[in-house]
Amino acid sequence: QVQLLQRGAGLLKPSETLSLNCGIYGGSFSGYYWSWIRQPPGKGLEWIGEINQSGGTDYTPSLKSRITISVDTSMNQVSLRLTSVTAADTAVYYCARRTAKWFDPWGQGTQVTVSS
Amino acid sequence: QSALTQPASVSGSPGQSITISCTGTSSDVGAYNYVSWYQQHPGKAPKLIIYEVSDRPSGVSYRFSGSKSGNTASLTISGLQAEDEADYYCGSYTSSLTWVFGGGTKLTVL
Repeated sequence: QVQLLQRGAGLLKPSETLSLNCGIYGGSFSGYYWSWIRQPPGKGLEWIGEINQSGGTDYTPSLKSRITISVDTSMNQVSLRLTSVTAADTAVYYCARRTAKWFDPWGQGTQVTVSS
Repeated sequence: QSALTQPASVSGSPGQSITISCTGTSSDVGAYNYVSWYQQHPGKAPKLIIYEVSDRPSGVSYRFSGSKSGNTASLTISGLQAEDEADYYCGSYTSSLTWVFGGGTKLTVL
């Protein structure tokens, strides 16, 4: 059964860069898209981008200038980088595997707080 | 891309049935049969419970069912149990080649 385990820093200052990793264990890496989805406090889910095994990416338009998602197939790992963070980027960030048109499973989530 | 519209909260007594709506547009929910639903307990990651409008993943109770009419999808939970108390989110593929979710519905089992 595939498991997604997330790592990364949770407290940032405005203008810093958010970096999160998502390791894929117990399942195939290829043939899927690997997505990042965030959830601001008390709010709904927001898809922010995804990548496939070949490095092809799609990003939500509102973050396109600040976001980079990359993949390390040798380590079965997907990374998220978001530059110039502000308080509006405070959220729980999840990685998730996209199979066809749904997301399953999800990582455990990482609380990211942006505060001066 | 605007979020899909869900009621903020619904409630029901054990054994009853409830339905949660998810309203989008002709560019997302109405355009494709790619609506999925997720259950999220407090402090936990979302869990897939319905995909492609009405299909259930292995291991998900038959009490969960999904449907769609026009731009509105629905999740029905029958035979409510205390463990069903959670937040529920719908999601859909969009014609912009992106993904959109609803704002979430808090289900309270009375």
